Amino acid sequence: SQTIHQWPATLVQPVGSPLSLECTVEGTSNPNLYWYRQAAGRGLQLLFYSVGIGQISSEVPQNLSASRPQDRQFILSSKKLLLSDSGFYLCAWSSELLRYTFGSGTRLTVV
Amino acid sequence: RKEVEQDPGPFNVPEGATVAFNCTYSNSASQSFFWYRQDCRKEPKLLMSVYSSGNEDGRFTAQLNRASQYISLLIRDSKLSDSATYLCVVNSGGYQKVTFGTGTKLQVIP
Repeated sequence: SQTIHQWPATLVQPVGSPLSLECTVEGTSNPNLYWYRQAAGRGLQLLFYSVGIGQISSEVPQNLSASRPQDRQFILSSKKLLLSDSGFYLCAWSSELLRYTFGSGTRLTVV
Repeated sequence: RKEVEQDPGPFNVPEGATVAFNCTYSNSASQSFFWYRQDCRKEPKLLMSVYSSGNEDGRFTAQLNRASQYISLLIRDSKLSDSATYLCVVNSGGYQKVTFGTGTKLQVIP
């Protein structure tokens, strides 16, 4: 069966520091991968999606970037965090039927 | 108009009650619809897909009304464990992309 791993679970980072969140998927090949952010009391905002290695589409211009160095690995990065980057970051993969499976999320607090 | 709109609630209902949520969508070309459940501080999890003919899974019934462009979720015999936020999801065009609603919060009280 397919599983998705995301880490770390929580993170407190100072403003201006770098960020790297990693997500890996097991049990499927060439998955569509996504990074979402959920601010407190708000809906899910799509940040990036990828349909294959090295293929990244950005939905929202910001100081975040994403990379997909391997088929089942998706990384979210920032060179310098802003206070507004705080939120709940979720990695997900989808099947052909558009059913999404999410990782357990990373709660990021920028201080 | 937002692509997907939901009443944020909260809906406070007693155990055993029946509760229904609606979700409206703006893209008449949307073909795929889902309900997800999100517990507090957890990731969303797929609850059920919504089919054109309507579908039922135990105490949960989902329906689609294309003419009025909304989907609904009915929960019968509410349990305390049903307390969560229910997210409506609609495919929004583009390759393998969907739009999530902001969710409706349900609180089942003893």
